[in-house]
Amino acid sequence: DTEVTQTPKHLVMGMTNKKSLKCEQHMGHRAMYWYKQKAKKPPELMFVYSYEKLSINESVPSRFSPECPNSSLLNLHLHALQPEDSALYLCASSQDGQALATEQYFGPGTRLTVT
Amino acid sequence: QQPVQSPQAVILREGEDAVINCSSSKALYSVHWYRQKHGEAPVFLMILLKGGEQKGHEKISASFNEKKQQSSLYLTASQLSYSGTYFCGTDRETTDSWGKFQFGAGTQVVVTP
Repeated sequence: DTEVTQTPKHLVMGMTNKKSLKCEQHMGHRAMYWYKQKAKKPPELMFVYSYEKLSINESVPSRFSPECPNSSLLNLHLHALQPEDSALYLCASSQDGQALATEQYFGPGTRLTVT
Repeated sequence: QQPVQSPQAVILREGEDAVINCSSSKALYSVHWYRQKHGEAPVFLMILLKGGEQKGHEKISASFNEKKQQSSLYLTASQLSYSGTYFCGTDRETTDSWGKFQFGAGTQVVVTP
């Protein structure tokens, strides 16, 4: 199974709502990532979990809160978002948990709209 | 600093070749290449590591010039399925175990019949 799954596919939320994005992989990968992608732009790295510990936080606002409950699951908790946070949120995983020296497998993404 | 990709876009006819370039002003540990089709997730093509190691698909070729901190992706005998946006991603070499991984702005490739 070489699949990374993400739920939900689409999410519309108000600026006062709290919601969560979910990502799952069953490939035994030890690193998992959250990216944000705006239209016609490259993905921007937000967070990296390596061996279930947060190893990179690319100065992301605190209204985004990542969580890695176990080696297969990655969540992104959202609270008090702004309209400019509307984007495609991509999850990825890679086998190597120590460095970005192996390929990343991307999920299909969650299309988030903040109203 | 975001790696610089060129060209921004290229239009090819089936069977033609193209080269996409990616450069950085910083010393790199690795260069990654991904292709993203419209409405889909990025798909891995190739990784080139400092020291010459490469991992990727047989039909894709790429090079990494460590002295110039440049990488090139070669699309040979292009097929319609090669259409999409190609991103290079670079991981800088730093004293930390992680550098700052960033994708370039992308190169849009259109292959026509």
